[in-house]
Amino acid sequence: NAGVMQNPRHLVRRRGQEARLRCSPMKGHSHVYWYRQLPEEGLKFMVYLQKENIIDESGMPKERFSAEFPKEGPSILRIQQVVRGDSAAYFCASSGVEGYEQYFGPGTRLTVT
Amino acid sequence: AQSVTQLDSQVPVFEEAPVELRCNYSSSVSVYLFWYVQYPNQGLQLLLKYLSGSTLVKGINGFEAEFNKSQTSFHLRKPSVHISDTAEYFCAVSTANFGNEKLTFGTGTRLTIIP
Repeated sequence: NAGVMQNPRHLVRRRGQEARLRCSPMKGHSHVYWYRQLPEEGLKFMVYLQKENIIDESGMPKERFSAEFPKEGPSILRIQQVVRGDSAAYFCASSGVEGYEQYFGPGTRLTVT
Repeated sequence: AQSVTQLDSQVPVFEEAPVELRCNYSSSVSVYLFWYVQYPNQGLQLLLKYLSGSTLVKGINGFEAEFNKSQTSFHLRKPSVHISDTAEYFCAVSTANFGNEKLTFGTGTRLTIIP
């Protein structure tokens, strides 16, 4: 009865390093959404993926950020050359074909020093 | 595009008192509406959702919400709160279109229960 899994739960990176965040959706779910929560703010949509396809990346910053959801394995959110402003909690959610009920993972808290 | 407004950033309430957390939305198309709860350092848990049908929706932990289309509101209520209800509450909307149900969130309301 595993829910959405994210790892690592906490990640510390120095400015200029790369951050890789992983998300394993609930069993049977093929849709993955990534959201970012900045301190004291609500969650903001970043990207929506299905297996091997990016459906909507309208919320992704144009540079340094990328996401993938391969045929096998977890979805990956990759941030290159991190800056202090990337410090945030990154949440992954998954849903089934219906899409409208999303289940959230515990999040990855990224700290850039 | 949709937007969600949660006017109250913080709401303190005495234990066993009733509470209402306000949510208003804006959208040019039909929407689905959600309330999520976030406990400290945890992910979001779905409290309840409105997709269609009855405008009064009941959720977990004794919460309920009423969809009011004319006022574009979806306020969350609980008749008697408990200490364990202390958390951050987020209202969210998505378009009622199959194919991309990305959520737009409000900025959240921090509910603090006073013993």
